[in-house]
Amino acid sequence: QKEVEQDPGPLSVPEGAIVSLNCTYSNSAFQYFMWYRQYSRKGPELLMYTYSSGNKEDGRFTAQVDKSSKYISLFIRDSQPSDSATYLCAMSRQGGSEKLVFGKGTKLTVNP
Amino acid sequence: SAVISQKPSRDICQRGTSLTIQCQVDSQVTMMFWYRQQPGQSLTLIATANQGSEATYESGFVIDKFPISRPNLTFSTLTVSNMSPEDSSIYLCSVQDINQPQHFGDGTRLSIL
Repeated sequence: QKEVEQDPGPLSVPEGAIVSLNCTYSNSAFQYFMWYRQYSRKGPELLMYTYSSGNKEDGRFTAQVDKSSKYISLFIRDSQPSDSATYLCAMSRQGGSEKLVFGKGTKLTVNP
Repeated sequence: SAVISQKPSRDICQRGTSLTIQCQVDSQVTMMFWYRQQPGQSLTLIATANQGSEATYESGFVIDKFPISRPNLTFSTLTVSNMSPEDSSIYLCSVQDINQPQHFGDGTRLSIL
């Protein structure tokens, strides 16, 4: 079993839709959870950074962490064509000087 | 967050040759890392670049194949040695300060013929 599982999609939605992206993981030691957005021919860009369980909201983006289920989610409200990208979940045991373990990424297309 | 510049942005190389990738940051950072992103695969850590000492390599990656330097707190290089088509990938530099998340450069897209 891979440490982090993420459905690669692709996922295609109409503009304005609510998008739900998810990852599951197997290592209960993970405490820091991140979502990165990667546009074509660009590096991953940090979207959300959360510690332990709970919700975090930033504009149209909401990150949820359920450590009891080993499940994290990213919700995008009122999705825009500019949200079309690959979304990578990542996690680590510690907040600093620790490698990140990534999912494979979900490719999202938002159609105008 | 720090601005990270990677050079070259892409290259096409012959098998058996070596390529050195540079990562320059506009401010001093505590940690620098090198990752590989292969098609259809997860981003995978190659090594942690340690300032003034040997890099710390992950399982499956060795210094002879991926020598790394980090002469100061703003610069690191990764060399991909004796390249084969299996080394065709995107190589990414990331940086991190204490209690901060990692930030990535735009990567080097490498193709081996």
